[in-house]
Amino acid sequence: EAQVTQNPRYLITVTGKKLTVTCSQNMNHEYMSWYRQDPGLGLRQIYYSMNVEVTDKGDVPEGYKVSRKEKRNFPLILESPSPNQTSLYFCASSLRAGGPNEQFFGPGTRLTVL
Amino acid sequence: LAKTTQPISMDSYEGQEVNITCSHNNIATNDYITWYQQFPSQGPRFIIQGYKTKVTNEVASLFIPADRKSSTLSLPRVSLSDTAVYYCLGDSGAGSYQLTFGKGTKLSVIP
Repeated sequence: EAQVTQNPRYLITVTGKKLTVTCSQNMNHEYMSWYRQDPGLGLRQIYYSMNVEVTDKGDVPEGYKVSRKEKRNFPLILESPSPNQTSLYFCASSLRAGGPNEQFFGPGTRLTVL
Repeated sequence: LAKTTQPISMDSYEGQEVNITCSHNNIATNDYITWYQQFPSQGPRFIIQGYKTKVTNEVASLFIPADRKSSTLSLPRVSLSDTAVYYCLGDSGAGSYQLTFGKGTKLSVIP
């Protein structure tokens, strides 16, 4: 089944404790991205990647890192999480960047930073 | 990259047609317009996409006027299961590949 998977689905952590949220897609998509969703603010893109080893900042990259060493994986890293990073996070992928295209979203990761 | 503006919320009765309009005044020549649907605690799901005029699929229609500064998502005969948040997104065909979803329109379908 074509899908985007994220792990973990739920995570409660404490301020300053490094964490990684994994994202994987099995559709051989080139474009992958991370979003955070907060009440009243909609979806905001954190980082995106157009292909292996090519990443760029979205609207809200501060406090996050990403890497794209393999085409299928795009982990989101929080080196020193803070309470304002408490949010619902979505990973998404699409065949390519731009043009007629659709984003496939993962199920989401609900992160709470105490 | 097209910035989009939509109504924050809309209400409709079951069985009615619902039209949600999105404005994207600075849409680029190569931008496509895409609409997504999101249920609570789920990731958004693609509904429909178009470049100009009218596009129709099994769930919705998308109307894009000649100047492409707005688009209208039309949902025929909505049911309670259509209660969701709807986002329009202006993809960028060239240049920036950053995507900006905006705040979406919360549609509530009333029995």
